[in-house]
Amino acid sequence: AQTVTQSQPEMSVQEAETVTLSCTYDTSENNYYLFWYKQPPSRQMILVIRQEAYKQQNATENRFSVNFQKAAKSFSLKISDSQLGDTAMYFCASGGTSYGKLTFGQGTILTVHP
Amino acid sequence: NAGVMQNPRHLVRRRGQEARLRCSPMKGHSHVYWYRQLPEEGLKFMVYLQKENIIDESGMPKERFSAEFPKEGPSILRIQQVVRGDSAAYFCASSPSATGEQYFGPGTRLTVT
Repeated sequence: AQTVTQSQPEMSVQEAETVTLSCTYDTSENNYYLFWYKQPPSRQMILVIRQEAYKQQNATENRFSVNFQKAAKSFSLKISDSQLGDTAMYFCASGGTSYGKLTFGQGTILTVHP
Repeated sequence: NAGVMQNPRHLVRRRGQEARLRCSPMKGHSHVYWYRQLPEEGLKFMVYLQKENIIDESGMPKERFSAEFPKEGPSILRIQQVVRGDSAAYFCASSPSATGEQYFGPGTRLTVT
């Protein structure tokens, strides 16, 4: 069984600044994947970044990077140089390696202010 | 390559009616997942299907809900005798393999009046 917890219901940041969204998880799987998804007001789910648990190196995608602490079961998302278009709900999710059923956290609403 | 398509985007049903939600996966994808998002909540897994087979339906309510993914045509999520608590956004995702990246559709927002 997998659980994902996001303890920050809402966050805000000024444009061009950096913000970090927190996520903790629990899983009985030996190997697994972790994801951050963005859901803007359009409600479309957009994959932001993906991390394989067996890889020690933190994943990065342009302005988005993660801090993956496997022992602590922590998977935070850092957004650098925040842009107005980053305003959205962000979901942390985990998935096993047998097949891709995802378990989502409750979400964090991020607002980027001009 | 068109993305995952879902229709209708919005569906209004009266209590007791049936709701049929359709999902056309991306070309070449034979793995489909359905998720439900209640207001102010994250997505919850409902069912995972491969062509003509239900692999995992552990997230599906035991009654009134069913899903299929026929050899030809879209995947269908069917809700019989809808109740107000079924009001939610229903998302479909498809993948080229069991562990491949999931691509989400735009969702169907179901409102039960």
